[in-house]
Amino acid sequence: QKEVEQDPGPLSVPEGAIVSLNCTYSNSAFQYFMWYRQYSRKGPELLMYTYSSGNKEDGRFTAQVDKSSKYISLFIRDSQPSDSATYLCAMSINTGTASKLTFGTGTRLQVTL
Amino acid sequence: NAGVMQNPRHLVRRRGQEARLRCSPMKGHSHVYWYRQLPEEGLKFMVYLQKENIIDESGMPKERFSAEFPKEGPSILRIQQVVRGDSAAYFCASLPRGTTTDTQYFGPGTRLTVL
Repeated sequence: QKEVEQDPGPLSVPEGAIVSLNCTYSNSAFQYFMWYRQYSRKGPELLMYTYSSGNKEDGRFTAQVDKSSKYISLFIRDSQPSDSATYLCAMSINTGTASKLTFGTGTRLQVTL
Repeated sequence: NAGVMQNPRHLVRRRGQEARLRCSPMKGHSHVYWYRQLPEEGLKFMVYLQKENIIDESGMPKERFSAEFPKEGPSILRIQQVVRGDSAAYFCASLPRGTTTDTQYFGPGTRLTVL
C-alpha cells in the first residue's frame, strides 16, 4: 500500500465548475500538507500549504485537512481553462528541521470551455 | 529574483554513459532536495543535501547514483553507467536556511533520455 493515494484522473470539468481533488494517506506522522500544480513538462509550483486540520483559503483555492480520517482535499472554485494541469498532493513529517516530501501520483485536470 | 535553476533542461545519453545534472538553489537557500518523476508517477524523493553535507540519502539507488552540494557552485546529481530505466524527469527543490517548514520550491527539471 502506498503511503499517499491519489486518483490519477483524468478529471474533465466545464469552465466555472467547482473542482474537488483528494488524497488519502496512511502514515499518521504526516503533519505538513501541500498542494502543487504542475503544468506539462514544467516543475511543480506550490499552491497551498497547511499543517493543521481544517480549511485554508487563498483566492479560488481552498485546502482542507482531516487528520482523523487521513484525508486532504483541494477545492477550486470558478475553474478556468488555465487551471488545466496535474495537481499533486504532498506531505511531510515534522522532524524539527526540513524533511523530504512524500507525493501522491497526481490528478490530471482538464477544464473545458 | 531568480528561482531554482536546473541545467541542462534536456539530456540524452546512451546506455553506459554518465549523466550530470546541475541544480542552483534560490538565492539564500541552503537546503537542496532531488526528486525523480517517472512517467505517470508522482515525484519520488532521492536525496537531501545542505552545503557540503548529505543529510538524507534514503531514496537514492545503492549503485551508480551520487549527489553533492559543494561549498561553492551548484548541487550535482551524477548517474554513472546509465540504463534505460534511468529515463525520467529529475527535479531539484530548495529551502531557505533555518526553515522548519517544508514548503519546497522546485526547479523546471532535467529530462533525461537514455537511448
